[in-house]
Amino acid sequence: KAGVTQTPRYLIKTRGQQVTLSCSPISGHRSVSWYQQTPGQGLQFLFEYFSETQRNKGNFPGRFSGRQFSNSRSEMNVSTLELGDSALYLCASSTGPGTGRSETQYFGPGTRLLVL
Amino acid sequence: AQKVTQAQTEISVVEKEDVTLDCVYETRDTTYYLFWYKQPPSGELVFLIRRNSFDEQNEISGRYSWNFQKSTSSFNFTITASQVVDSAVYFCAHRRGAQKLVFGQGTRLTINP
Repeated sequence: KAGVTQTPRYLIKTRGQQVTLSCSPISGHRSVSWYQQTPGQGLQFLFEYFSETQRNKGNFPGRFSGRQFSNSRSEMNVSTLELGDSALYLCASSTGPGTGRSETQYFGPGTRLLVL
Repeated sequence: AQKVTQAQTEISVVEKEDVTLDCVYETRDTTYYLFWYKQPPSGELVFLIRRNSFDEQNEISGRYSWNFQKSTSSFNFTITASQVVDSAVYFCAHRRGAQKLVFGQGTRLTINP
């Protein structure tokens, strides 16, 4: 079974631009979560989607948004990029709520975003 | 609020030594889940183990073993006979119910040949 895939793997943008990152979950998984990893703040939760609905949201400004499609694929968007948005963005998938053991999150390889 | 503390920032050992990574968590929940993930230089977080709060049975899987002690809120991870390929950053994480994962700051483990 294929793992979680994320595209693109690397991205360079300039301040003020916007960016869209994509995540395809493991086949059969309906929940997708996004995390930001920086050297200073570590791994921080952005949001989680299940069945096209945002189920949980972390403490990030409104410039960070996401969505999930009917095939469970998810995108996250960051508008008006700032230098501090440079990070590794990780996507994780799980089967979804109420599925016990399957709530374990499996991560993709991440997208490294550099904002200049 | 949940909190996960990995007091060891970096550990360096010589190959074949045993090494234990410490994890202490804080929670008010009675039902929760604990995880260990490994992050090699490629960046992907690799799932290692999950433990439920109601399952204190410790486990050994090959060279890896885990010690979950609810009384001390600890969930430690031991690698026996370490190998260079074990070099990575290891994260301990906590999850309450269907909520988000809360990660510790990670422990960078270096295994020297």
